[in-house]
Amino acid sequence: EVQLVESGGGLVQPGRSLRLSCAASGFTFDDYAMQWVRQAPGKGLEWVSGISWNSGSIGYADSVKGRFTISRDNAKNSLYLQMDSLKAEDTALYYCARDFGDYYDTRGEYFDYWGQGTLVTVSS
Amino acid sequence: DIQMTQSPSSLSASVGDRVTITCRASQSISTYLNWYQQKPGKAPKLLIYAASSLQSGVPSRFSGSGSGTDFTLTISSLQPEDFATFYCQQSYTSPWTFGQGTKVEIK
Repeated sequence: EVQLVESGGGLVQPGRSLRLSCAASGFTFDDYAMQWVRQAPGKGLEWVSGISWNSGSIGYADSVKGRFTISRDNAKNSLYLQMDSLKAEDTALYYCARDFGDYYDTRGEYFDYWGQGTLVTVSS
Repeated sequence: DIQMTQSPSSLSASVGDRVTITCRASQSISTYLNWYQQKPGKAPKLLIYAASSLQSGVPSRFSGSGSGTDFTLTISSLQPEDFATFYCQQSYTSPWTFGQGTKVEIK
C-alpha cells in the first residue's frame, strides 16, 4: 500500500525557516517524481514544487522561488521542502504527492497518491 | 501561467441527480486535464486523468470529457459519498495550476 506521511509543520515567525519531510513507503521511491502542493485555510490547491526521480529536474512556483528548496533522499525514501524567509501567505496545509511519472514536468503529469498534509502557520 | 476556471463554484444536488462541473483553461491544453475530489479534512484524490481516463478504483459513475479549453466532469447518479469539493488541474505545462474548486452540497 502506498503511503506518504508528511511531518515538520508548525508555528513559525515571519522570516524564519522550517523543513518539511515526507516519508514514502509501499512503492519504489526512486521510480517516481514527487511534488509538493499546498492549501491555504479554506482555499484551493496550489502547486509549490516538483522534483524528478534523480533530482536532475526541479521546479518551483513563482510564489516560492528563491525561498523554498525541494530535495529528496532516495536511500531514505524521503522528500523534503526547506522553507526559508517564510511569509504569512505561506500559511497552509502542505501535501506531498506522488507523480505518476519519473520527471516532474512532463506533459500529462498527474498526482496519483497524496499524504494527509502537515500544517504550516506563519505568524508573529 | 495557464489559468483554470471552474463553474459553478458551488452547487446543491440530491442523491441520484446527474451533476456536471465545467472547467475552462485560459489556453488550449489538448486533453492534459485531471480531476480530483477532496472531502473535508482529507487529502485530494485523483478521479480522472488525461481528461477522460478513469483512475483505478474510481466508480464508473464519474466521467470526464473535453479537449482544448473546455472540459466537464460528470457524476451520472450522485451518491451520498460524493459530496465534496472537486478540482481540475492542467498538466499541459508547468507550473501546474488548479481550478478554484466546485463544492457539491446536499440539497
